[in-house]
Amino acid sequence: AQKVTQAQTEISVVEKEDVTLDCVYETRDTTYYLFWYKQPPSGELVFLIRRNSFDEQNEISGRYSWNFQKSTSSFNFTITASQVVDSAVYFCALSEAQAGTALIFGKGTTLSVSS
Amino acid sequence: GAGVSQSPSNKVTEKGKDVELRCDPISGHTALYWYRQSLGQGLEFLIYFQGNSAPDKSGLPSDRFSAERTGGSVSTLTIQRTQQEDSAVYLCASRIGGEWNEQFFGPGTRLTVL
Repeated sequence: AQKVTQAQTEISVVEKEDVTLDCVYETRDTTYYLFWYKQPPSGELVFLIRRNSFDEQNEISGRYSWNFQKSTSSFNFTITASQVVDSAVYFCALSEAQAGTALIFGKGTTLSVSS
Repeated sequence: GAGVSQSPSNKVTEKGKDVELRCDPISGHTALYWYRQSLGQGLEFLIYFQGNSAPDKSGLPSDRFSAERTGGSVSTLTIQRTQQEDSAVYLCASRIGGEWNEQFFGPGTRLTVL
């Protein structure tokens, strides 16, 4: 069965610290897609990144980086030099090519960055 | 470049009443999804529309829930005989192109059933 686990419920850091948000997924499909979304206090889900199952290249975008490892079924997200504006709930999500493409979300990790 | 819009932003209703929630997807997006977000259950898929195909209703929690999408654009989610456990934020998302593309979410409708 498909499942996304974000084991960290809440993380608190001080500005400029690096922080990694963990995501582990389960799927039987060989073609699937992974996503990270950010939900700031305003409530709207904001897309951050997607990865397909055939592309294990890590990606860096400014202070954000993502580490996709099929061997451990993980898709972790690192924020370097965190800022107060990074405070939000972060969701990892999975969709499967065979299963209608609906997103299966993890429970989310609440990140609090203090100044 | 309007995003996904939803109305109303907030809805308070009494138990047993019917409610309709509206979603306007991004123009040209062929796929439309409804999700709901509640404290206890997190983010859950409800229903999916793709073009003219029959919708995927596999996530609807009961037959009190239904949705339609008219003209391949606007969608309405209807909840009949609302119950307190229906209280949640109902999110709509749309997507262009293939399933590998990201879904863009609206701001949601917060439904409170008294």
